[in-house]
Amino acid sequence: DTAVSQTPKYLVTQMGNDKSIKCEQNLGHDTMYWYKQDSKKFLKIMFSYNNKELIINETVPNRFSPKSPDKAHLNLHINSLELGDSAVYFCASSPAAETQYFGPGTRLLVL
Amino acid sequence: AQSVTQPDIHITVSEGASLELRCNYSYGATPYLFWYVQSPGQGLQLLLKYFSGDTLVQGIKGFEAEFKRSQSSFNLRKPSVHWSDAAEYFCAASGGSNYKLTFGKGTLLTVNP
Repeated sequence: DTAVSQTPKYLVTQMGNDKSIKCEQNLGHDTMYWYKQDSKKFLKIMFSYNNKELIINETVPNRFSPKSPDKAHLNLHINSLELGDSAVYFCASSPAAETQYFGPGTRLLVL
Repeated sequence: AQSVTQPDIHITVSEGASLELRCNYSYGATPYLFWYVQSPGQGLQLLLKYFSGDTLVQGIKGFEAEFKRSQSSFNLRKPSVHWSDAAEYFCAASGGSNYKLTFGKGTLLTVNP
């Protein structure tokens, strides 16, 4: 009965490849998020969707494209991966603008 | 600009000792405030939150935090630390109707036996 789940947990890939990370929540929340945690553990929001509508789009390269097929899913597609994209990506969900609940993270390593 | 500051990058305490982790925020109005904990290789777990009301909030695992408006602070405390508390602790804030959660840079807690 995992609340927020992400797949895959680990992702190792070559520079220039395209990859996707999937996120699903079974909490019935309206809002979902993607955060990036860099090597210094700093967490920064990338995107947020509310009822499938994009509401937050931080200054993220347009190689990153979120997609929300329904309010329980928020996927992140990354084109032309670069070394600097190596990080841990966390998905989260919340009921409106309240407490955010995080997934276990996807550890991306670009070689 | 909205910001959250955790002044201590790394704190070491002995098991059984008390703990206080500091957090200061800079927001236009009183934000919603949170403490999360991240164990090595894990996701973020919510410890506690403050929206309004009683300024002393209780959380899971024996943690509590006190909101002090005059000091723009939301410090996390625990009276007696256990070895399993060793982890990275993040303070975070959001501006109410603003969905964006701003994190501090984290405090790494080491617990000595």
